[in-house]
Amino acid sequence: QSALTQPASVSGSPGQSITISCTGTSSDVGSYNLVSWYQQHPGKAPKFMIYEVSKRPSGVSNRFSGSKSGNTASLTISGLQAEDEADYYCCSYAGSSTLVFGGGTKLTVL
Amino acid sequence: EVQLVESGGGLVQPGGSLRLSCAASGFTFSRYWMSWVRQAPGKGLEWVANIKEDGSEKYYVDSVKGRFTISRDNAKNSLYLQMNSLSAEDTAVYYCARLYNWKPDYWGQGTLVTVSS
Repeated sequence: QSALTQPASVSGSPGQSITISCTGTSSDVGSYNLVSWYQQHPGKAPKFMIYEVSKRPSGVSNRFSGSKSGNTASLTISGLQAEDEADYYCCSYAGSSTLVFGGGTKLTVL
Repeated sequence: EVQLVESGGGLVQPGGSLRLSCAASGFTFSRYWMSWVRQAPGKGLEWVANIKEDGSEKYYVDSVKGRFTISRDNAKNSLYLQMNSLSAEDTAVYYCARLYNWKPDYWGQGTLVTVSS
């Protein structure tokens, strides 16, 4: 039940693209296509942005996309906007009806 | 519209107990697994517990096993978290979340639990 590994921070300028990685193990990220991503603004509840690695819920901008390779999942945000500045968390099914979250990444829009 | 509203947080002394509640509406509560997720001040999200639709299966993160109990009352559309033997490390905002295909898709606004003397 170790947390997934995310970079503590990433930054980019408006209009640019950034990618946030989420590294787990063969027991979680590597074994299941059940990685989801969440956006959290200060003082707010997390918002569901990506599920099953690369699927977007209705209402989420197509500037957000997800992918996975081996034990590492990634979230890419293209065309960065000021409103994208937030904390981002990955989450994976970890087997035996349990979940594991990443440590979170603070995105700064310069 | 799916709504999840947590309550029951507050200040409790180390070693004490607290029971959190989550009132669900806008969906058929009895058809979904549910989760509790917590976030310590300034820290990341941590999964705490899951419960099956009918309450027959419950799963916990190692750090709360034997101290926390997740439960539900489908007749009342409510989820609960009984927390015993609390310590400072349990201080956090506690969120309830609906679980769909192993993704927490809807979240409540959270309730703050502070463990301090």
